[in-house]
Amino acid sequence: GAVVSQHPSWVICKSGTSVKIECRSLDFQATTMFWYRQFPKQSLMLMATSNEGSKATYEQGVEKDKFLINHASLTLSTLTVTSAHPEDSSFYICSARIRGGSTYEQYFGPGTRLTVT
Amino acid sequence: KQEVTQIPAALSVPEGENLVLNCSFTDSAIYNLQWFRQDPGKGLTSLLLIQSSQREQTSGRLNASLDKSSGRSTLYIAASQPGDSATYLCAFDQNQFYFGTGTSLTVIP
Repeated sequence: GAVVSQHPSWVICKSGTSVKIECRSLDFQATTMFWYRQFPKQSLMLMATSNEGSKATYEQGVEKDKFLINHASLTLSTLTVTSAHPEDSSFYICSARIRGGSTYEQYFGPGTRLTVT
Repeated sequence: KQEVTQIPAALSVPEGENLVLNCSFTDSAIYNLQWFRQDPGKGLTSLLLIQSSQREQTSGRLNASLDKSSGRSTLYIAASQPGDSATYLCAFDQNQFYFGTGTSLTVIP
């Protein structure tokens, strides 16, 4: 089956530093990847949609200069949280849509727990 | 914008009980509906997909229904087991996923 990996699975960083999270589709090509954020006991909120080779589309209220997304290839998208602050601590989940597939043909990564101290 | 609500927010049942999780949405112009399971600190596992033209789907002890006219979907779990303990999320597809608020299920042995 389609597998999506995320790295790292958890990360602790100091306030003011930047951290990069990778999302990879392991056995399929994904022209579109999605980044979600989930706060404790809350549902997933879409942050941005990234398309291979073009700029990401950010949801309202998400700072694009703070959450840098790069979709460099058909199997890799990265999310960089710049100048992280404690309020950025959250669970970040990516998903990848199979190339040529419908919206529902998305596969989710296991998530990355970010803690900013 | 689609708003998705799940009731109850939390549910605790003894093993063996049948249970129903509810999901309601505000915009009937959805394409598809999925039910997901999320274990603590983990990603999502898709359980059932109901495409827009369908009304229900079944997989093992799980049955999901979709009523677009009333803006509701239900997930029925038969003969619940402790391993079913998790958070269940419904999500509607309108070119992107809109997730519900989730129901945290605990099945007590």
